Amino acid sequence: DVKVTQSSRYLVKRTGEKVFLECVQDMDHENMFWYRQDPGLGLRLIYFSYDVKMKEKGDIPEGYSVSREKKERFSLILESASTNQTSMYLCASRLAGGKTQYFGPGTRLLVL
Amino acid sequence: QKEVEQDPGPLSVPEGAIVSLNCTYSNSAFQYFMWYRQYSRKGPELLMYTYSSGNKEDGRFTAQVDKSSKYISLFIRDSQPSDSATYLCAMKVGEGNKLVFGAGTILRVKS
Repeated sequence: DVKVTQSSRYLVKRTGEKVFLECVQDMDHENMFWYRQDPGLGLRLIYFSYDVKMKEKGDIPEGYSVSREKKERFSLILESASTNQTSMYLCASRLAGGKTQYFGPGTRLLVL
Repeated sequence: QKEVEQDPGPLSVPEGAIVSLNCTYSNSAFQYFMWYRQYSRKGPELLMYTYSSGNKEDGRFTAQVDKSSKYISLFIRDSQPSDSATYLCAMKVGEGNKLVFGAGTILRVKS
């Protein structure tokens, strides 16, 4: 069964902190994605990675960076968290060329 | 203007009703159209996937694409309380990686 896991379901951080969100998939998928989901705005792509050590900016990369050192793991980093980064963060993975993106359960981040 | 518009609802219907969920889009280059279902506190899961115009049926669900009007629909027949969720439309150009999502419509089916 397909599985995408995210390190935390809920996270509370302070402004200026460095935040790491981890995502792991067990399907040997090449492609991995980070989205944020906000009411009224839907899912917006932050970064995606089409393979190990490969990354590409999405629509809203400002204030974020990513790391993909191993195929199964894709990390999202908030270098200096700000209150406008309070959101639901969703990770997804997909087989290269496949139709379906498989999503994790999400991490709800609150930045105070 | 957003590339993909979707009424956020909530849409509340009685059990057994036919539900119609819709999205409009502005980019005529979109070729692949999807519907995702997202239950509360879960990630989205793919429900329907269609290419180009026409209808696709899967059990109680029918996805419809009208490229001339830039309009897609998801119909749910005999709706059940277990269908209560947020429904997100998504679309992409060609075989590219980037999906563009609608904001999602909250559906509530009352028993």
